[in-house]
Amino acid sequence: EAGVAQSPRYKIIEKRQSVAFWCNPISGHATLYWYQQILGQGPKLLIQFQNNGVVDDSQLPKDRFSAERLKGVDSTLKIQPAKLEDSAVYLCASSPAVRGYEQYFGPGTRLTVT
Amino acid sequence: AQTVTQSQPEMSVQEAETVTLSCTYDTSESDYYLFWYKQPPSRQMILVIRQEAYKQQNATENRFSVNFQKAAKSFSLKISDSQLGDAAMYFCAYFHANAGGTSYGKLTFGQGTILTVHP
Repeated sequence: EAGVAQSPRYKIIEKRQSVAFWCNPISGHATLYWYQQILGQGPKLLIQFQNNGVVDDSQLPKDRFSAERLKGVDSTLKIQPAKLEDSAVYLCASSPAVRGYEQYFGPGTRLTVT
Repeated sequence: AQTVTQSQPEMSVQEAETVTLSCTYDTSESDYYLFWYKQPPSRQMILVIRQEAYKQQNATENRFSVNFQKAAKSFSLKISDSQLGDAAMYFCAYFHANAGGTSYGKLTFGQGTILTVHP
């Protein structure tokens, strides 16, 4: 069974530029999560999708971050414009529909904003 | 709001020895899940062990076991016969399902403990 895929693995941009990350969850997983992990800290949930609907986006800085999950499969997280404090690892995870506690993580994207 | 605290920023152990990582959490819920995740330098978050709060028996996975003290809200991880490959950042995490059932909920992570294994 293929795991959660993410791309790119690394991205370096200048502040005020925009960037997008892509995630492909495990086949059949209805729930998809985006977490932000700042260096030296634990991951923090940004947004959670159930199929193509948003379940929780209370921690998403909506003035600059946006996310979508078209057709309930792949998802894209965008930052526009980026700030220095957005430098972090962005982790995508997915889980089966009725077992939200069973989350599988992708390898993450390391973003550096200069 | 639920919080998870790992009070040991760093721990070290000799190869083949035993080490215990500590975790405490704060919640008013009675039904939840607790986890230990391992994150090596590759950044891949790997599930080590899971404990359901309604189970009194401590979870065990090969060399990994937990000491779950529900009343004390404590959840420690014991690694026996430590191996070089165990070196990583370890995160304690908490999950409580929202009102919609176990489909909905989020993982709340602690700050992590860096484990070093000496040969």
